[in-house]
This record gives sequence, C-alpha cells and structure tokens, in this order.
Amino acid sequence: NAGVTQTPKFRVLKTGQSMTLLCAQDMNHEYMYWYRQDPGMGLRLIHYSVGEGTTAKGEVPDGYNVSRLKKQNFLLGLESAAPSQTSVYFCASSLSGSGANVLTFGAGSRLTVL
Amino acid sequence: GQNIDQPTEMTATEGAIVQINCTYQTSGFNGLFWYQQHAGEAPTFLSYNVLDGLEEKGRFSSFLSRSKGYSYLLLKELQMKDSASYLCAVRDSNYQLIWGAGTKLIIKP
Repeated sequence: NAGVTQTPKFRVLKTGQSMTLLCAQDMNHEYMYWYRQDPGMGLRLIHYSVGEGTTAKGEVPDGYNVSRLKKQNFLLGLESAAPSQTSVYFCASSLSGSGANVLTFGAGSRLTVL
Repeated sequence: GQNIDQPTEMTATEGAIVQINCTYQTSGFNGLFWYQQHAGEAPTFLSYNVLDGLEEKGRFSSFLSRSKGYSYLLLKELQMKDSASYLCAVRDSNYQLIWGAGTKLIIKP
C-alpha cells in the first residue's frame, strides 16, 4: 500500500519555466490537498479538491493551477516559475474534510527556482 | 486573522518528559491535531482533540482547553527518535486546517 506518492522529489527550474507536480493516492480518498512549507512558517494550503473534477483555492493560490481529472490523482502546475515559489511542496489526502479525518502526506517535492 | 503559536525550538534530555504548548485564535473550532515531522520527511499524525481534556496514546498525550484556546503535547520517556518537529493544526469553522509553524524538539543523550 503506497499511500500518497509525489513526483518528482527534487527539481530545479529557471525563472519563467513551467512544470507539473504529480500526486497519486491509492486509499480511495475523496479530498486531496497541495501545501507548501517554508522555513519558519506553517504549512500553507495552495489548492484543494473535495472530489473528482472539483478544485478550490486555498490560502496561497496565485501562480499555481491544479487539476483532478481522476479521483486518485491531483496535479499542481506552475505556469511561469518565480524564485518566490522555491519551497517544499506536500500533497496530502483524506477521506473527508471534517471530524477526526486525518491527512496522509506524500514525501514532499523540493523545488528550487533560480 | 487566524493564528497558531508554538515555541520555535525546545531541548530535552533522553528519558525525560517534555510539554509542547500550542495556543490558537481561529474563526471557530472543529478539532485540533498534532503531527510529527522528522527532518526531510512528511508530517505524520499523532493525535486529535475535539473535546476538553486529555487524550493518551502510549508515550504521547495531548490536552485541550477550548475556553483558553490552548493545547499541549506531552511526550514521556523521551527517546532519541523523538527528535523532530511537532506541528499543531486547528480546523476552523470552514473546516480548513490552520497550521502552526512547528516546534523543533532536540533530544540530548
């Protein structure tokens, strides 16, 4: 049981380049999330999805786009990367968004934008 | 605005007890979570509190006081493997998780 798998684990981009981070979960979870984690700050929600075909903005959505065409996959896109997007990105999933539903996280993707 | 405060860093001795505090001001409350995150790894779930009181799970316990906007995580019989960051998160009235910056716990022999 793989849980939540993120690819790639590391990536270096130049300013203005584009890329897509892939997230896959095999737990049949409805909810999926993309967070970024920066030193000295809490996890910040970029976008999330409450089910296949749906997406919603989180706290820091600017500069990112997402898609959830299949229930098990949640893609995060950077159309024109900026140095401010240098961060560690975590994908997570949960059965629902309420109660004691726990988030299961992927191992993270470290992105550097030069 | 919404805010969660935790100490940035704490140091404790192997075999001892440590208490990590978390205070919060959020728009509503629908539960509080503690996660553990080892350096370079993903956060993993430790505990969940929604009612006032103490929840015990092995060496780890978590306490909640909703009236005070306060929680703590208590770690007993500290082991070197407990060296990690501990993240406090509150689910607000919109069921969004608000995260603290985390407390880095350093265990010394």
